[in-house]
Amino acid sequence: EPEVTQTPSHQVTQMGQEVILRCVPISNHLYFYWYRQILGQKVEFLVSFYNNEISEKSEIFDDQFSVERPDGSNFTLKIRSTKLEDSAMYFCASRTSGGNNEQFFGPGTRLTVL
Amino acid sequence: QQQVKQSPQSLIVQKGGISIINCAYENTAFDYFPWYQQFPGKGPALLIAIRPDVSEKKEGRFTISFNKSAKQFSLHIMDSQPGDSATYFCAASSGAGNMLTFGGGTRLMVKP
Repeated sequence: EPEVTQTPSHQVTQMGQEVILRCVPISNHLYFYWYRQILGQKVEFLVSFYNNEISEKSEIFDDQFSVERPDGSNFTLKIRSTKLEDSAMYFCASRTSGGNNEQFFGPGTRLTVL
Repeated sequence: QQQVKQSPQSLIVQKGGISIINCAYENTAFDYFPWYQQFPGKGPALLIAIRPDVSEKKEGRFTISFNKSAKQFSLHIMDSQPGDSATYFCAASSGAGNMLTFGGGTRLMVKP
């Protein structure tokens, strides 16, 4: 069964450093998303991406964040200058172009900012 | 307006019992209501979903009940099993391709 994959599974970085989180969505999916989950809290939407551009973003997704689909398979989230409060699980999700909003989530990347 | 409120925060049920988790929303534009199951260290996995044109949807032991006028929906897990022990999130979205707004989550423990 096709699945969303994410790398790395765990990333430790120093405050102020740049990190890139990588995702490989399901191959025939056209909508891509990033969500985050601070430990013990709910899942929060960051950004959605369709047709090579951002279609929606939340207040969390400020100028420190960017997304890119550098080739036909990868979807990346970059945090330019990490802050302590960026420590969280980051989930990538994807879905097809049909009317159903069934989003499939990856296993997540745990980001720890020291 | 965008919030989805979920209750209870935690739930303990005996094996074979019925687990009931409730969610309420304000945004009448929401038109898709999924439930996700999450095990520790894993990503959320879609369990079952409903659209507001039906009042109930059943898949195996899992049933969503939807009350459009009250803007509430609930997940019922029949014959709950220890393997159902996980965190459950309700969510809602509007339009195609739109962001999911998640509830706060319910940590379910099913005792053997």
